[in-house]
Amino acid sequence: DSGVTQTPKHLITATGQRVTLRCSPRSGDLSVYWYQQSLDQGLQFLIQYYNGEERAKGNILERFSAQQFPDLHSELNLSSLELGDSALYFCASSANVGTGEYEQYFGPGTRLTVT
Amino acid sequence: SQELEQSPQSLIVQEGKNLTINCTSSKTLYGLYWYKQKYGEGLIFLMMLQKGGEEKSHEKITAKLDEKKQQSSLHITASQPSHAGIYLCGAPRSISSGSARQLTFGSGTQLTVLP
Repeated sequence: DSGVTQTPKHLITATGQRVTLRCSPRSGDLSVYWYQQSLDQGLQFLIQYYNGEERAKGNILERFSAQQFPDLHSELNLSSLELGDSALYFCASSANVGTGEYEQYFGPGTRLTVT
Repeated sequence: SQELEQSPQSLIVQEGKNLTINCTSSKTLYGLYWYKQKYGEGLIFLMMLQKGGEEKSHEKITAKLDEKKQQSSLHITASQPSHAGIYLCGAPRSISSGSARQLTFGSGTQLTVLP
């Protein structure tokens, strides 16, 4: 158990709908990262938050948005869903209190199926 | 942009055999993470390497970052069925200070260990 929790574990929804994925980082970790894993694209970085502020953006679609709350949990919102959005969505967290490398721990993921 | 190439893409070994997985970067590595993933599940953190020439071991798994910091190898000694899974290497995009530490991942190596 990495200490990173994600809900829900599975999500099945229809095209055009909107969903929210939730992530709670490990205790004390200030950074939260969202990644998307699909068969054709592999594991790709979407967005990072650090202590409530957006810190980096990757290959995140405009239909997707995220935020990190004062208690450090994060939510990833996916709207106007398309079949191609079906994927595993992972949240990771790390301490990141300064320069250098910090271990990133991943949650169990949310499997999103868009029908 | 940085690309990570993993080789081999898949590997089938007999239990008890040693094996090596490689991760080669198109640019200098500022850190290198190794993860293990069971199909459809979360990523399990194995090791993080930072300095050229650094080598870390955990149980029967050893990872090394070469001196020139463009390649890392993961070596498993006396493989067991429990080692089966997908091994992923990930690297931060830069050495920039601050808290942006999104990872770029390789496409993974599928390891099967036959009993």
